[in-house]
Amino acid sequence: EKQLVESGGGLVQPGRSLRLSCTASGFSFFDSAMTWFRQAPGKGLEWVGFIRSRGYGVKTEYAASAKGRFTISRDDSKSTVYLQMTSLRTDDTGVYYCGRDRYGDHNMPGDVYDTWGQGTTVTVSS
Amino acid sequence: DIQMTQSPSSLSASVGDRVTITCRASQNIRTYLNWYQQKPGQAPKLLIYVASNLQSGVSSRFSGSGSGTDFTLTISSLQAEDFATYYCQQGYSTPITFGGGTTVDI
Repeated sequence: EKQLVESGGGLVQPGRSLRLSCTASGFSFFDSAMTWFRQAPGKGLEWVGFIRSRGYGVKTEYAASAKGRFTISRDDSKSTVYLQMTSLRTDDTGVYYCGRDRYGDHNMPGDVYDTWGQGTTVTVSS
Repeated sequence: DIQMTQSPSSLSASVGDRVTITCRASQNIRTYLNWYQQKPGQAPKLLIYVASNLQSGVSSRFSGSGSGTDFTLTISSLQAEDFATYYCQQGYSTPITFGGGTTVDI
């Protein structure tokens, strides 16, 4: 069974940093693109960014809201993808999910996510 | 960025009803449109991919159609477990974008 487990969420003050982790099992992490999403309280889903596999150059792309503040990285030996968040703002508050592309990895178009973690909650507040 | 507009934003229905949710893209996305179901406190669940393909393990009462800019998710006979929020998502280009969601309640 494909599974993703996020961790690292918590309460953090504005301007501080936080690193989220997402550990995978049950599929070939090495050749899978991994994506981060978030959902503010009571709001819809927002794409944060992705990281491609080594076969696709470990390419990263970010939403405008994340660019310059967030960094996605991966450790294939640990089947884990990370979301390093810096200069956190109150509007970064929400549940953060990681997701796996249904096709493993590929060039766009066609990103679709068949496996999601349970989410980890980030609260940015003083 | 490609804007995804869902309608309605919410609807009330009864068990056994046929329910249709629409999603419109701000530009041609061919058939790179996916549908998800999300229940409170849970992660999204993929229902339909590439506009009309039923994800493995998903009930056949869910179906999708459309291409270009206009897409539809249909639930043929609403069941109690289908009360949830539904999102469309375009996979055509980055930034990946979602519709605002449609909440289906009793």
